[in-house]
Amino acid sequence: EIVLTQSPATLSLSPGERATLSCRASQSVSSYLVWYQQKPGQAPRLLIYDASNRATGIPARFSGSGSGTDFTLTISSLEPEDFAVYYCQQRTNWPPTFGGGTKVEIK
Amino acid sequence: EVQLVDSGGGSVQPGGSLRLSCAASGFIFSNYVMTWVRQAPGKGLEWVSGISGSGGSTYDADSVKGRFTISRDNSKNTLYLQMNSLRAEDTAVYYCAKSTVTTGPFDYWGQGTLVIVSS
Repeated sequence: EIVLTQSPATLSLSPGERATLSCRASQSVSSYLVWYQQKPGQAPRLLIYDASNRATGIPARFSGSGSGTDFTLTISSLEPEDFAVYYCQQRTNWPPTFGGGTKVEIK
Repeated sequence: EVQLVDSGGGSVQPGGSLRLSCAASGFIFSNYVMTWVRQAPGKGLEWVSGISGSGGSTYDADSVKGRFTISRDNSKNTLYLQMNSLRAEDTAVYYCAKSTVTTGPFDYWGQGTLVIVSS
């Protein structure tokens, strides 16, 4: 199965700063990479699908890029509600797999 | 409005059984793949099982194969997960999720239901 490695494990930033999260796949997933946001006690929320497409209702400050094995989720200017854990997921190969997550915390 | 409501979790002894349910509303249930994803306490997400819209095809993670059975009742707009031979490592919050294809993306999720396997 495809292993997804997210880095860093924790990102400490202040509101208004730019966040850059990385997801690396153990083999190519083409552009079939998905990003979710999860807040404490809540279910994951779909942010980005197929590497760069924002899901319905997701603010423009969230953007995704990459292809093959290296992907990036960028939050251009952190809002207070953006502090959460972010997971990537590949949907190319069976079974679908998730990365270990990156926690974005308030500095 | 799409809604997925998970239920059925609880505490069970190792070797026991539990059946989870996910009640769906706000979309044509039979048109969509449904999936169970779990999250152990303090850990990441793990895909568990998926089922086609008709219910004719099912898919299971190796970790639950032969122990868990996913099913759906399209007349009741409800997804199920029958969990048998439960182990301590099955302890997790279980989420149902909706998608167009079996591998995702998972665009709507239930609120989750907690399963604790402990003696």
